[in-house]
Amino acid sequence: AQKVTQAQTEISVVEKEDVTLDCVYETRDTTYYLFWYKQPPSGELVFLIRRNSFDEQNEISGRYSWNFQKSTSSFNFTITASQVVDSAVYFCALSEAGSSASKIIFGSGTRLSIRP
Amino acid sequence: SAVISQKPSRDICQRGTSLTIQCQVDSQVTMMFWYRQQPGQSLTLIATANQGSEATYESGFVIDKFPISRPNLTFSTLTVSNMSPEDSSIYLCSVEGAEGPPLEQYFGPGTRLTVT
Repeated sequence: AQKVTQAQTEISVVEKEDVTLDCVYETRDTTYYLFWYKQPPSGELVFLIRRNSFDEQNEISGRYSWNFQKSTSSFNFTITASQVVDSAVYFCALSEAGSSASKIIFGSGTRLSIRP
Repeated sequence: SAVISQKPSRDICQRGTSLTIQCQVDSQVTMMFWYRQQPGQSLTLIATANQGSEATYESGFVIDKFPISRPNLTFSTLTVSNMSPEDSSIYLCSVEGAEGPPLEQYFGPGTRLTVT
């Protein structure tokens, strides 16, 4: 069965610090997809990244970077030089290609608070 | 990306009543999804709605409690029937994007439901 674990329930850092959000997943499929979503206080879900299981290259987008390691089944998310606007709940998610490719299983989320 | 709107954005309802949530997309999409996010929790898929066929419900969700309509390729409704305080949640509609696989999922702003 597929599962996504975000062990960090809440993280609080001071602005400009770097912060890493952990994500560990479980799946029996060899083809799968991983996602990160951001949910700011307003409630909407903002798509951040999608990564397939065959692409282990790390990705950087501005202050955001993602580290995908199949050997440890992890897909961690780092925010560099954090800002107050980064305060949100962040969800890691998994979709297996074998099932409905659009069925996404979400982790429990990490609430990130950036203090000025 | 798809632009999704939901109505109502929030509501306070009495126990035993029903509420119908509308989801409108600015483009034609094949699959639409309904999620529930209970307070402080992650997102859980309720059902998948394809136009022209009955919705497919996930384990723990039944049609009598959460009837869904999908009359065309841009619109869907979710009804929360015979509500109890446990139904207090954010209900989110999502649709697949055009890029894939897997197809990205875009989320609506959510409907915040409180049952008293």
